[in-house]
Amino acid sequence: NAGVTQTPKFQVLKTGQSMTLQCAQDMNHNSMYWYRQDPGMGLRLIYYSASEGTTDKGEVPNGYNVSRLNKREFSLRLESAAPSQTSVYFCASKGLTWDRVVGTEAFFGQGTRLTVV
Amino acid sequence: LAKTTQPISMDSYEGQEVNITCSHNNIATNDYITWYQQFPSQGPRFIIQGYKTKVTNEVASLFIPADRKSSTLSLPRVSLSDTAVYYCLVGLISDTDKLIFGTGTRLQVFP
Repeated sequence: NAGVTQTPKFQVLKTGQSMTLQCAQDMNHNSMYWYRQDPGMGLRLIYYSASEGTTDKGEVPNGYNVSRLNKREFSLRLESAAPSQTSVYFCASKGLTWDRVVGTEAFFGQGTRLTVV
Repeated sequence: LAKTTQPISMDSYEGQEVNITCSHNNIATNDYITWYQQFPSQGPRFIIQGYKTKVTNEVASLFIPADRKSSTLSLPRVSLSDTAVYYCLVGLISDTDKLIFGTGTRLQVFP
């Protein structure tokens, strides 16, 4: 069971370049999320998707676009990268907890370290 | 989403019990309390979730008073490997809601 898979793991972009971060989950979860985490800071929600075909802005959506391609995949696009977008990007999906208690938990990918020069 | 307040950082020594308190004064009736742990260079991972009273699993205990305006994550006998950032989240447990993390509590465990 792979869980949440992000690609690439590392990327260096020049200012103004574009790129797409890919995320896929194999847990049949409805919700998927994109976060960014700057050094020494907490996670900030960029965009999320509550279900296939829907996306909503999070706390810091400017400069990003997303696409929920299907239930498994949720991509994040930087149209014109800026140095302020240098960060670690995490994708997550959310579903029922694995344990015996009824609830939900989020599962995170390993992150993408993006540097914009 | 209920706003949460946690200490920015805490220090402890190996073998001690660590209690991290989270304040959530405007918690709604249907909200649950969830804690995540994040190690350096990794994404957060779920630790524990509860609605009221006490919940315990193999990793931690979660204490929630009757008024539910705060909660305490208790880590028994911490080790160096418990050095991490701990996040308290309050909200619905539906699988479609927004998931907002605050700044968390940075726990440093010393030998």
